[in-house]
Amino acid sequence: GQQLNQSPQSMFIQEGEDVSMNCTSSSIFNTWLWYKQEPGEGPVLLIALYKAGELTSNGRLTAQFGITRKDSFLNISASIPSDVGIYFCAGPSTDNYGQNFVFGPGTRLSVLP
Amino acid sequence: EAQVTQNPRYLITVTGKKLTVTCSQNMNHEYMSWYRQDPGLGLRQIYYSMNVEVTDKGDVPEGYKVSRKEKRNFPLILESPSPNQTSLYFCASSLEGISYNSPLHFGNGTRLTVT
Repeated sequence: GQQLNQSPQSMFIQEGEDVSMNCTSSSIFNTWLWYKQEPGEGPVLLIALYKAGELTSNGRLTAQFGITRKDSFLNISASIPSDVGIYFCAGPSTDNYGQNFVFGPGTRLSVLP
Repeated sequence: EAQVTQNPRYLITVTGKKLTVTCSQNMNHEYMSWYRQDPGLGLRQIYYSMNVEVTDKGDVPEGYKVSRKEKRNFPLILESPSPNQTSLYFCASSLEGISYNSPLHFGNGTRLTVT
């Protein structure tokens, strides 16, 4: 089935720094979603991207849908302690008649005060 | 408050003892799904349901059963749990399946340990 790869696996940054992470696939996705999971909770949708080349912001978060449709990027500006969590990219699989979301393994973000 | 509710949050059981994890949503969503989350593997879909009485296998359905007798409920059943089913389980729902502007809403998870 389709797979998503995320890098880096984990990152430790100082409060106030900007963060960049990416998600890649060997196959094309028509939608890219970015979720954040905080400890003890379920993932929460941050940003949804629906067109190749699209750049979308949500507060300090900005995500881009890669032109090749095989990648997406998430940037966080001026990080704060509450940005801590695991960030997942996801997209609808073309398997199961497109009724399955494929998730990447996640990027674990730690913010040091 | 719109939400997906799973119970229990934590469950420890022994091999072979049947268990059910309940999931309920109050958003009148048609689509519901179960995922398991394991370190380094992200979330993998177990089963999904497009509507009442309509269920289908995801990527890792072996050892699990589901039912969708009512729109709001989607229980996950482990008839004979084994240690390799120790995991963090999430139920999720969306308005109308995987489509434009129909994102998944997740519950808070059930941590299952099978000894």
